[in-house]
Amino acid sequence: EAGVAQSPRYKIIEKRQSVAFWCNPISGHATLYWYQQILGQGPKLLIQFQNNGVVDDSQLPKDRFSAERLKGVDSTLKIQPAKLEDSAVYLCASSLVRDTKAFFGQGTRLTVV
Amino acid sequence: AQTVTQSQPEMSVQEAETVTLSCTYDTSENNYYLFWYKQPPSRQMILVIRQEAYKQQNATENRFSVNFQKAAKSFSLKISDSQLGDTAMYFCAFIPRVQKLVFGQGTRLTINP
Repeated sequence: EAGVAQSPRYKIIEKRQSVAFWCNPISGHATLYWYQQILGQGPKLLIQFQNNGVVDDSQLPKDRFSAERLKGVDSTLKIQPAKLEDSAVYLCASSLVRDTKAFFGQGTRLTVV
Repeated sequence: AQTVTQSQPEMSVQEAETVTLSCTYDTSENNYYLFWYKQPPSRQMILVIRQEAYKQQNATENRFSVNFQKAAKSFSLKISDSQLGDTAMYFCAFIPRVQKLVFGQGTRLTINP
């Protein structure tokens, strides 16, 4: 079974630039999550989708972060413009609806300089 | 507020020893799920073990077992016969009824040869 795919694995950008991350969840998983993991901390949920609808985006900094999940499959997370404090690993995870077991991708490490 | 606390930032044991990682959580929910995730240097979160709060029996997965104390809101992970491959960050997490995975800060575990 293929796992959660994320790209790119690494990205270095200058502050005020834009960046986008891509996630392809496990086939059939309706629920998709984006987490931000700052170095030395646990992951923090940014946004949760069920199919192509947003379930929770209460911790998403909406002035600079946006996410979409067109057609309820792949998802992209965008940051525009980036700040130094956005440097982190961005993790994507997916699960079946009403299943508590989430599968994670390998993440994208973003460095903002 | 729903929070997870891991009071041990780092732990180190010798190979083949037994180690216990601590976790406490705070929730007003009665039904929820608890998890331990492992994050090796590859960054991918791997589910180690899952416990359902309404089950009194402690979950076990091979060398991994938990001590779940619901009244005390405590959920510790015991790793028996530790192996070099167990070296990783370990995160305690839980899902309250709202199905939003909340992580602790993590414990860095090192298994020494």
